[in-house]
Amino acid sequence: QSVLTQPPSVSGAPGQRVTISCTGSSSNIGAGYDVQWYQQLPGTAPKLLIDGNTNRPSGVPDRFSGSKSGTSASLAVTGLQAEDEADYYCQSYDSRLSGWVFGGGTKLTVL
Amino acid sequence: QVQLQESGPGLVKPSETLSLTCIVSGSSISDYYWSWIRQPPGKGLEWVGYVYYTGDTNYNPSLKSRATTSLDTSKNQFSLRLTSVTAADTAVYYCARVQTGWFDTWGQGILVTVSS
Repeated sequence: QSVLTQPPSVSGAPGQRVTISCTGSSSNIGAGYDVQWYQQLPGTAPKLLIDGNTNRPSGVPDRFSGSKSGTSASLAVTGLQAEDEADYYCQSYDSRLSGWVFGGGTKLTVL
Repeated sequence: QVQLQESGPGLVKPSETLSLTCIVSGSSISDYYWSWIRQPPGKGLEWVGYVYYTGDTNYNPSLKSRATTSLDTSKNQFSLRLTSVTAADTAVYYCARVQTGWFDTWGQGILVTVSS
C-alpha cells in the first residue's frame, strides 16, 4: 500500500488529453511538500518529468504539465503520442515517515 | 553530463548482505545528496535511503535498520549495504542524485536477485 495513491491505469487515443491523479495526506502533499512526476518507459530507469509541482526540466515537452491542490496533485498529458505510453509515478516527502515516498504508479496506454 | 553507474553482484543468498556501489561521473559527489531507490519486479518504486558527504544519512523505516549507505569522495562513488536479505529484497536497485527533494539523475539500475 503506497503512501501516495494513483490510479493503476489510464488510457487515451492519440491527440487526446489525459490526467493522472496523485492523492496524499496532511503529512505529505497536504503539508506543502513539493510533488514530482517521473516517466518510466519499458525496461528503462525513471526519468524526471515534473519537479516542484509544476516545473518542467529542460527537454521535457510542454505537453506535460503538473498541478497541485490541497492533498492532491495531477499530471496532465495533452496531444497524446504513442511514445507517451509508459508508467508514471508521483513522489513527495512525508514528515511522518521522515522520508521520500512514491505513488504506486499509473500505466498510461495510448489506444 | 552527469552519469551514474551501479555495480555489484546480481545474486545474493538469503540471510546474506547485499552490497552495491554507484560510480558518479560529471558531478562532484560532495555537492549533492545521493540516494538509493529500488523496484521489485513488476512493482512500484521504493525509496531506500540517502547519504551526504558530511555523513548525514537517512533510511526508509520499512527496512528496519538493515540498510547502510556510505560515500567515498576520493573515488566519487557511494554504496549501499543491506543485511539479512530475503526474497522480498529482490529488485532493480537504482542510484540517483538528489536535487532539492527530488531525484534528477538516475543510474540504469541493477537487478539483484535473492535466492539460494
